[in-house]
Amino acid sequence: SQQGEEDPQALSIQEGENATMNCSYKTSINNLQWYRQNSGRGLVHLILIRSNEREKHSGRLRVTLDTSKKSSSLLITASRAADTASYFCATDKGSSGSRLTFGEGTQLTVNP
Amino acid sequence: GAGVSQTPSNKVTEKGKYVELRCDPISGHTALYWYRQSLGQGPEFLIYFQGTGAADDSGLPNDRFFAVRPEGSVSTLKIQRTERGDSAVYLCASSPGGRNTGELFFGEGSRLTVL
Repeated sequence: SQQGEEDPQALSIQEGENATMNCSYKTSINNLQWYRQNSGRGLVHLILIRSNEREKHSGRLRVTLDTSKKSSSLLITASRAADTASYFCATDKGSSGSRLTFGEGTQLTVNP
Repeated sequence: GAGVSQTPSNKVTEKGKYVELRCDPISGHTALYWYRQSLGQGPEFLIYFQGTGAADDSGLPNDRFFAVRPEGSVSTLKIQRTERGDSAVYLCASSPGGRNTGELFFGEGSRLTVL
């Protein structure tokens, strides 16, 4: 079963608006990562936040992590049509060199 | 090459046939992962190699699936007696390895269609 669950499953916004995607997980983690996937392509790493961090920024991306609620959010500010893609959260369950477990993803559509 | 390379990019086979999917990781990356992704779903973990050995193969769905990485670099995912339900995109990823799982670098995937 998937460790992470994203919501919403699909999100459609206009260019220039902000997009917020959420992820919940069930077990303790070392870190949580967000990936992006364009249709028919591989996944691309966006950002990693460690379990002892609460917020992290990278360009137009802002990620928050609340370990007490076992949840994370990804905010994309001033969205562009090129941001249209699927976004996945992934968790590392905490043991040495363990695998990443991915959620089901949020399909983001940014309309020009 | 600079990134993770997967071949073939597309494979169409008939039910019952044997297939091999190849992954060439980023040079120097000791960790290698195989995932399977069905349409509209997130990647599902299959197996993880650290060097030549399978450190975690708990995601392999049954004994028709097998993967090797004999020299700690290139890996081959082998599927015997393919079934229509095996149709999916098979993704390979690599990472430098080490104590904690950091960023994974993914290939473009091999799309398998079993008729």
